[in-house]
Amino acid sequence: GDSVTQMEGPVTLSEEAFLTINCTYTATGYPSLFWYVQYPGEGLQLLLKATKADDKGSNKGFEATYRKETTSFHLEKGSVQVSDSAVYFCALIFKAAGNKLTFGGGTRVLVKP
Amino acid sequence: DAGVTQSPTHLIKTRGQQVTLRCSPKSGHDTVSWYQQALGQGPQFIFQYYEEEERQRGNFPDRFSGHQFPNYSSELNVNALLLGDSALYLCASSSLTQWTGDNSPLHFGNGTRLTVT
Repeated sequence: GDSVTQMEGPVTLSEEAFLTINCTYTATGYPSLFWYVQYPGEGLQLLLKATKADDKGSNKGFEATYRKETTSFHLEKGSVQVSDSAVYFCALIFKAAGNKLTFGGGTRVLVKP
Repeated sequence: DAGVTQSPTHLIKTRGQQVTLRCSPKSGHDTVSWYQQALGQGPQFIFQYYEEEERQRGNFPDRFSGHQFPNYSSELNVNALLLGDSALYLCASSSLTQWTGDNSPLHFGNGTRLTVT
């Protein structure tokens, strides 16, 4: 079945550091890919997405590029802030599968001032 | 415009008991999905309801059941609770036929934190 693997955390960074969270997927076909963020006590919010190969999703300084050849969708941010502290989830979906998201295990990021 | 609302926010139950969690979808959405998020893990798909019927189901036992009402709201029921059922239960709504690739295919509530003792 489809699966998503992302690097385990926690990832601890200083403010203004560079952040990378690796994500790879296994799927039959070409899914759409997402990064969701979960702040303490809250549900999941969409951070960015890419719906086809070579698409780059971006939002709030975060970027991720859909790499079909390496089945990857790594999340990057050039300069993190304390407010970026959260849990980040990589996920995939096949539209034909009725909007069922498959998530990775999540990566907790802690940014220290 | 209210988003996805879930109740209660927290719940404590004893092993063997039964629990019902509730969800109201975002306005304009007709499909409700439920996910279980154990501590430190990613959300796992439980099932999805559309037109008051279960349309898809993940790898969860029959102790997990659900219902969707004519107003699109939904309930998740768990019978014979186990310690391992302790988790954050997330409800997500969507419009099954309308995801065009914009925004998120699913809109999530803040979840119900279930603790089984």
